[in-house]
Amino acid sequence: EDQVTQSPEALRLQEGESSSLNCSYTVSGLRGLFWYRQDPGKGPEFLFTLYSAGEEKEKERLKATLTKKESFLHITAPKPEDSATYLCAVQKNTGFQKLVFGTGTRLLVSP
Amino acid sequence: NAGVTQTPKFQVLKTGQSMTLQCAQDMNHEYMSWYRQDPGMGLRLIHYSVGAGITDQGEVPNGYNVSRSTTEDFPLRLLSAAPSQTSVYFCASTSGSANTGELFFGEGSRLTVL
Repeated sequence: EDQVTQSPEALRLQEGESSSLNCSYTVSGLRGLFWYRQDPGKGPEFLFTLYSAGEEKEKERLKATLTKKESFLHITAPKPEDSATYLCAVQKNTGFQKLVFGTGTRLLVSP
Repeated sequence: NAGVTQTPKFQVLKTGQSMTLQCAQDMNHEYMSWYRQDPGMGLRLIHYSVGAGITDQGEVPNGYNVSRSTTEDFPLRLLSAAPSQTSVYFCASTSGSANTGELFFGEGSRLTVL
């Protein structure tokens, strides 16, 4: 069965304290892995797509990496505005955007 | 550019009542889908559509109905609401030509069934 597991469930950082979020997955025929950001009371907002092991994507203080079994979202020198829930999702090689989501990591960055 | 618009934002129903959650997008996206989000669980796909007149079931379709008469609109109908359908519902769309999994989500509809 396809599964996406994110850890930790919650993470509290001081402003400027770098860390990483983990997304491990088991899926047959991975087409892509996606990271989303979700603010309270809002819908998820797309961040990155990763297609193959070794691929990296960056956006401001965020960098996403992918291996054959997991992905990491590295947050460098976070700011309070980076506080959000970060969702990981995988897409199978089925031809449609049926994404399987993890439960997310709630990140709180304190000033 | 409004993106994906969902209405209502909040709704309270009694068990057995029916209602429709509305979803509209103005990006001319082919693909539209409905997800539900529950505490401790990831977003789960309810129904999806790959174009006008074409719909299919996702992971948790029971108790829900959809139709796609236009490219823009993808309503989700609850036929006879049950407390287990208390959730936050998200509509999402994406361009078929992109096929990137980059979904554009609405802001959600929070439903409580008493």
